[in-house]
Amino acid sequence: RKEVEQDPGPFNVPEGATVAFNCTYSNSASQSFFWYRQDCRKEPKLLMSVYSSGNEDGRFTAQLNRASQYISLLIRDSKLSDSATYLCVVPPGSARQLTFGSGTQLTVLP
Amino acid sequence: DAGITQSPRHKVTETGTPVTLRCHQTENHRYMYWYRQDPGHGLRLIHYSYGVKDTDKGEVSDGYSVSRSKTEDFLLTLESATSSQTSVYFCAIRDGGTSGGPGEQYFGPGTRLTVT
Repeated sequence: RKEVEQDPGPFNVPEGATVAFNCTYSNSASQSFFWYRQDCRKEPKLLMSVYSSGNEDGRFTAQLNRASQYISLLIRDSKLSDSATYLCVVPPGSARQLTFGSGTQLTVLP
Repeated sequence: DAGITQSPRHKVTETGTPVTLRCHQTENHRYMYWYRQDPGHGLRLIHYSYGVKDTDKGEVSDGYSVSRSKTEDFLLTLESATSSQTSVYFCAIRDGGTSGGPGEQYFGPGTRLTVT
């Protein structure tokens, strides 16, 4: 099993829709989790950090399910500008290294 | 803006030639990282540094070397470039203090390298 797995998508949703992505991880000892967003041909940018059961920032909610070893990202009221690839990141145990998922591609349609 | 620049931004080189990519930061961050990103593989760590002259290997370090002689610069060298090293290379930094967790990294704009 890969350390971090994401559904690659693509997810095509209409503007205003709610969409959720899941990310599963294999290291049960992981304590913190992160979502990054990457626009086409650009660098990844930190979107949200999850240190406990979840985190909410405006239209974005990240939730952690430790029992099933997955984290989710929920986007409400999708905007055209939300179109991007969303990367799930899990520190595997060493505080110096990260494991990135391959990303989930989202396209919000007008 | 985390004050990270990468140079060059684009490079085309021939197989067998040496190539050095530079990452420069202006905010004195302790940790610096080099990743490559390829379709289907996501971001993979090549090497990282946790201080001046302190470096370690990542997941895909074969064929790459790094150096960090001062805090602000982290160099990635391909000693003899191969076509399999055609990729987008990202540098990242992390503040080693208590304000940022291990996953809170900030990336440079990337270097697109093509080896022909």
